[in-house]
Amino acid sequence: GENVEQHPSTLSVQEGDSAVIKCTYSDSASNYFPWYKQELGKGPQLIIDIRSNVGEKKDQRIAVTLNKTAKHFSLHITETQPEDSAVYFCAADSGGGADGLTFGKGTHLIIQP
Amino acid sequence: ETGVTQTPRHLVMGMTNKKSLKCEQHLGHNAMYWYKQSAKKPLELMFVYSLEERVENNSVPSRFSPECPNSSHLFLHLHTLQPEDSALYLCASSQGMDRENTYFGPGTRLTVT
Repeated sequence: GENVEQHPSTLSVQEGDSAVIKCTYSDSASNYFPWYKQELGKGPQLIIDIRSNVGEKKDQRIAVTLNKTAKHFSLHITETQPEDSAVYFCAADSGGGADGLTFGKGTHLIIQP
Repeated sequence: ETGVTQTPRHLVMGMTNKKSLKCEQHLGHNAMYWYKQSAKKPLELMFVYSLEERVENNSVPSRFSPECPNSSHLFLHLHTLQPEDSALYLCASSQGMDRENTYFGPGTRLTVT
């Protein structure tokens, strides 16, 4: 089955700086890669996703890049703000089947004022 | 109500109790999921329902029993749980088994004493 590794587990950046979170996956058949943001006391919220036929996708201050050859994908947040503080999860899915999304262990992003 | 809702939000139960978690989705999706979220571990898929039929149970202990009476509602019946079952239980839904745009509820924080 799929295995997703996520780094770092904790990331502290100054407000206004950029943050990058990286994930690797093992199953070359995976073709969908979402990122979720989880704030305290809430469920994970989908913030951006990418399919394997695309190398990069951007939505305002967040972007995701995918390298299929190396089997890794990254989340980039620019001009970080205090409200970006949360736990971020990457996930991978090979499409259909009964396995559901396979998640990384999460990155606790701390934005320092 | 919009999105995915879960009740109760918090639950404390003894090991001999029987309780149920409820999930409702208002997105018109036809696939629903139960995930378990424990500290320092990736989200673990427990059950998948597609078109109200269970697709996979992922070897979850029988003390967890899911029920999906229709495409909008999902239950997780709990009995004779163990303290290690204490976790955040998340319900999610998507359109079909394609995991694109999987939405999560806020979760039920379960404590087994």
